[in-house]
Amino acid sequence: EAAVTQSPRSKVAVTGGKVTLSCHQTNNHDYMYWYRQDTGHGLRLIHYSYVADSTEKGDIPDGYKASRPSQENFSLILELASLSQTAVYFCASSDPFNSGNTLYFGEGSRLIVV
Amino acid sequence: KTQVEQSPQSLVVRQGENCVLQCNYSVTPDNHLRWFKQDTGKGLVSLTVLVHENDKTSNGRYSATLDKDAKHSTLHITATLLDDTATYICVVGDRGSALGRLHFGAGTQLIVIP
Repeated sequence: EAAVTQSPRSKVAVTGGKVTLSCHQTNNHDYMYWYRQDTGHGLRLIHYSYVADSTEKGDIPDGYKASRPSQENFSLILELASLSQTAVYFCASSDPFNSGNTLYFGEGSRLIVV
Repeated sequence: KTQVEQSPQSLVVRQGENCVLQCNYSVTPDNHLRWFKQDTGKGLVSLTVLVHENDKTSNGRYSATLDKDAKHSTLHITATLLDDTATYICVVGDRGSALGRLHFGAGTQLIVIP
């Protein structure tokens, strides 16, 4: 079964600190995504990648960097965490050319910036 | 402006009752629409995908319809169970490829009580 695992599952960070959220998939998917979920809002795309060593900006990339060192791993980096980045972050993978372009999500990483 | 609106925002039903969740959208073009289930503290899991005008799908106790002319979809859950308690999220894709954008609704929170 398709699997996407995220770490850490929750984190409290200090304003101005660096935060790295990691994502690992065993689906052999080329596409990986980082979304954030805020209460009362739909998921919003931060960064995505369709090949190792390359990342693309999504709809809300400001304040975030991404890294795709391998097909399996995709990280989201907050160099200087801010209060407004408190949210739940979801990683997902997909194979757009097969399996109906279904997104497979991780279980989320809850980030609280204080 | 939100392009995917879901209603109701929340819903409480008794176990065994049926319920209907609504999704209205303004995304253009509207290549496909997918319903996800999100259990509390978990990732999103795809329930069904609708592609064609007047599509209807069925997945066990879940069934869905799509009216592309009206840009409207419904998700029906019959004979609800306590495990159906979750947030149901409507997602509209503007293309059938990885180049497309996914537009997420904020979700309907369904609570099933004994």
